[in-house]
Amino acid sequence: QVQLVQSGAEMKKPGASVKVSCKASGYYFTTYGITWVRQAPGQGLEWMGWINGYRENTKYAQKFQDRVTMSIDTSTSTAYMDLRSLRSDDTAVYYCVGVGGGYCSGPGCYVDLWGPGTLVSVSS
Amino acid sequence: EIVLTQSPATLSLSPGERATLSCRASQSVSSYLAWYQQKPGQAPRLLIYDASNRATGIPARFSGSGSGTDFTLTINSVEPEDFAVYYCHQRNNWPPFTFGPGTKVEIK
Repeated sequence: QVQLVQSGAEMKKPGASVKVSCKASGYYFTTYGITWVRQAPGQGLEWMGWINGYRENTKYAQKFQDRVTMSIDTSTSTAYMDLRSLRSDDTAVYYCVGVGGGYCSGPGCYVDLWGPGTLVSVSS
Repeated sequence: EIVLTQSPATLSLSPGERATLSCRASQSVSSYLAWYQQKPGQAPRLLIYDASNRATGIPARFSGSGSGTDFTLTINSVEPEDFAVYYCHQRNNWPPFTFGPGTKVEIK
């Protein structure tokens, strides 16, 4: 069964960093990569960035460009999202998302394999 | 960055009625638009991709249309399990691949 399993909830203080992990079973990062999406409480979905396991090619949303690093450890089939200089408005559920159904056309693929999400709470 | 606008913000319907949700892009996304459904406490689920194709296992009452900048998700005869938030999502131009703010379909 193809699935993504994420690390547990985190509580951080403003200015700290958080590293969320996403371990894959039956999913190969080198094929479609991993997208990270976050959702603040009661709010919509926000696309943060994408990483491909092949040469760790990345694309980040400009909003996060200076604070985020996405990485992949192919030896453990685990992707990571590291967010620095946390603020209270970074409080959100962070999802890793892959391409499970192969819905691909044109320039890429639609993500449809969602991890369960990791709640990151930032508060002093 | 392409901005997606969804309307209405909230749609109040009775089971059996038709739901029509709109998504407008600030510039053309061709047909590279998807619709996701999200229920409380759950991750989103892909319903429609490439504007009009249903994902595997999605009931036929869900249909999508449009291209360029204007898109529609229609739910024919809304079922009780369809009450949720619906997001449109473009992957024509990145980064970022943006999401719309969502439309909540609620029970009237």
